[in-house]
Amino acid sequence: GNSVTQMEGPVTLSEEAFLTINCTYTATGYPSLFWYVQYPGEGLQLLLKATKADDKGSNKGFEATYRKETTSFHLEKGSVQVSDSAVYFCALKRGAQKLVFGQGTRLTINP
Amino acid sequence: DVKVTQSSRYLVKRTGEKVFLECVQDMDHENMFWYRQDPGLGLRLIYFSYDVKMKEKGDIPEGYSVSREKKERFSLILESASTNQTSMYLCASSRRDRVSDTQYFGPGTRLTVL
Repeated sequence: GNSVTQMEGPVTLSEEAFLTINCTYTATGYPSLFWYVQYPGEGLQLLLKATKADDKGSNKGFEATYRKETTSFHLEKGSVQVSDSAVYFCALKRGAQKLVFGQGTRLTINP
Repeated sequence: DVKVTQSSRYLVKRTGEKVFLECVQDMDHENMFWYRQDPGLGLRLIYFSYDVKMKEKGDIPEGYSVSREKKERFSLILESASTNQTSMYLCASSRRDRVSDTQYFGPGTRLTVL
């Protein structure tokens, strides 16, 4: 079946550090892949997406590349800020409309 | 600006009560979703609706039902609340279009069942 696995959290970094949050998936076919972010006290919002192999999604300094050969969609940012503290969810699109989410990774950035 | 609203941010109910969670979207979206969010489990789909009066079970529908009488409103019903339904409930909506398919989420309702 379809599933998404994210690296265990929580992750704590200092401001300006390099960030990687790992995400791997299991799916039939070629699903679209997403990263959603949930800031404290808010719902999820789309951070970036990629719809086919080798596509790179990017937004707000974050990037992720759809790697079919390793079934991965790792999230990266070169220099994190305190305002990036949030919970990050990797997801794939299943069927026409539905999403399958990973378990979420809580990120805390210290000044 | 896109908006999904949920009727309550926090709710406390007793075991056996009937509970209604309401969700409204103002984007004229065809699809609406109810998820529950639990630590370590991510989001799990409870029910999905792709049109008025249409619904489809998600991965964990047991103990829940839904109602969609109008396009903008999608209600989640706990017929007889139990303590294992204590959770964060998130509503989302999206267009049916395969290209513009981003899901937009409400702020969530944290439900505690005592």
